[in-house]
Amino acid sequence: DGGITQSPKYLFRKEGQNVTLSCEQNLNHDAMYWYRQDPGQGLRLIYYSQIVNDFQKGDIAEGYSVSREKKESFPLTVTSAQKNPTAFYLCASNPGGMNTEAFFGQGTRLTVV
Amino acid sequence: GQSLEQPSEVTAVEGAIVQINCTYQTSGFYGLSWYQQHDGGAPTFLSYNALDGLEETGRFSSFLSRSDSYGYLLLQELQMKDSASYFCAVRARGGATNKLIFGTGTLLAVQP
Repeated sequence: DGGITQSPKYLFRKEGQNVTLSCEQNLNHDAMYWYRQDPGQGLRLIYYSQIVNDFQKGDIAEGYSVSREKKESFPLTVTSAQKNPTAFYLCASNPGGMNTEAFFGQGTRLTVV
Repeated sequence: GQSLEQPSEVTAVEGAIVQINCTYQTSGFYGLSWYQQHDGGAPTFLSYNALDGLEETGRFSSFLSRSDSYGYLLLQELQMKDSASYFCAVRARGGATNKLIFGTGTLLAVQP
């Protein structure tokens, strides 16, 4: 079955540590996105990538980093520079071009302890 | 800047009709989409409008007016399972590429 997979579902991190969230898709999609969602809030764009080896900052990129070495993978690193990292993180993919339908993973809930 | 505004909450009863509005401000516009998200889950795509007018998909319809930078999602024959958050989204121009921007979300509560 084609889809987009995020792991882990729940993640706990100590303050001052970096942590990497995984996002893999086998839909052959060109575009991939990372969003952050806080309780009762909308989805805020962190980073996005339209093609392999290229990515752009979204609206809240500070304290985060990404890579896009393979078409299937778009991992997000939450660094110690992110002041308030506890949130629900959603990864999405899209065929690219003018196609607007995005497919989401099930999300990773990150908690800083 | 780019922004999408939606009402934060809407309440309706089973069997009723509800309309969720979305106004947007973007640099470059390639269409308005709607997504549904149940609590703790992944958003799922509902509909897309590239041109002005109404698009119907079963109990759900979506409308767009590009001249007014406005759209809405219409849900008919409401069911309890429709209780969820609904987000509008636009594909906006982000430098040389396009990015997908979401609204603030509307929490729909369907009551018996």
